[in-house]
Amino acid sequence: DARVTQTPRHKVTEMGQEVTMRCQPILGHNTVFWYRQTMMQGLELLAYFRNRAPLDDSGMPKDRFSAEMPDATLATLKIQPSEPRDSAVYFCASVRGGGSSMNTEAFFGQGTRLTVV
Amino acid sequence: GDSVTQMEGPVTLSEEAFLTINCTYTATGYPSLFWYVQYPGEGLQLLLKATKADDKGSNKGFEATYRKETTSFHLEKGSVQVSDSAVYFCALRLGRDDKIIFGKGTRLHILP
Repeated sequence: DARVTQTPRHKVTEMGQEVTMRCQPILGHNTVFWYRQTMMQGLELLAYFRNRAPLDDSGMPKDRFSAEMPDATLATLKIQPSEPRDSAVYFCASVRGGGSSMNTEAFFGQGTRLTVV
Repeated sequence: GDSVTQMEGPVTLSEEAFLTINCTYTATGYPSLFWYVQYPGEGLQLLLKATKADDKGSNKGFEATYRKETTSFHLEKGSVQVSDSAVYFCALRLGRDDKIIFGKGTRLHILP
């Protein structure tokens, strides 16, 4: 059963520390999204990639957040330095991208719950 | 810009009641439309979808019809169950850039 895998599932860290979240998209999916979910803001798109190239990262605070895809099987989201306001659930999703595939759905991982104290 | 607006929650209903969750969208183009559901502690999972005007998506007793004239995709279920308690997200996807845009979500509580 194909699924998106995120690690870690939970992370508690102190303010100022670096946090790295990882995502393994579904094999064959060439578009990967990072979302952040909070009670106040709902689901926010932070960044997304197609064929490992960043398409849009305008939703991401550039001074502390960075997103990369070192290879087709791994996407990473880093926060350095972390702050308490970064506490949220971070979701990765993948989809087969390209215009003819626009009716296909995205598959979500189970998320990383980040708490910065 | 492209956006999705859905009704504020929480919505609280008794079991077997009729459910409607409103969703409207703004898009420059011809999007595909989706409803996702999120159960506690889980990621989002697809509930149903529609890819062109007048299409009806359906799954697990839920339905939604793509209405281009009113730019809406309202979610309905004739008789809800306690197990339907979750957060429901309306979303659109545009082919030009693959971006998927979500509404803020509607929390649904079903009372036994």
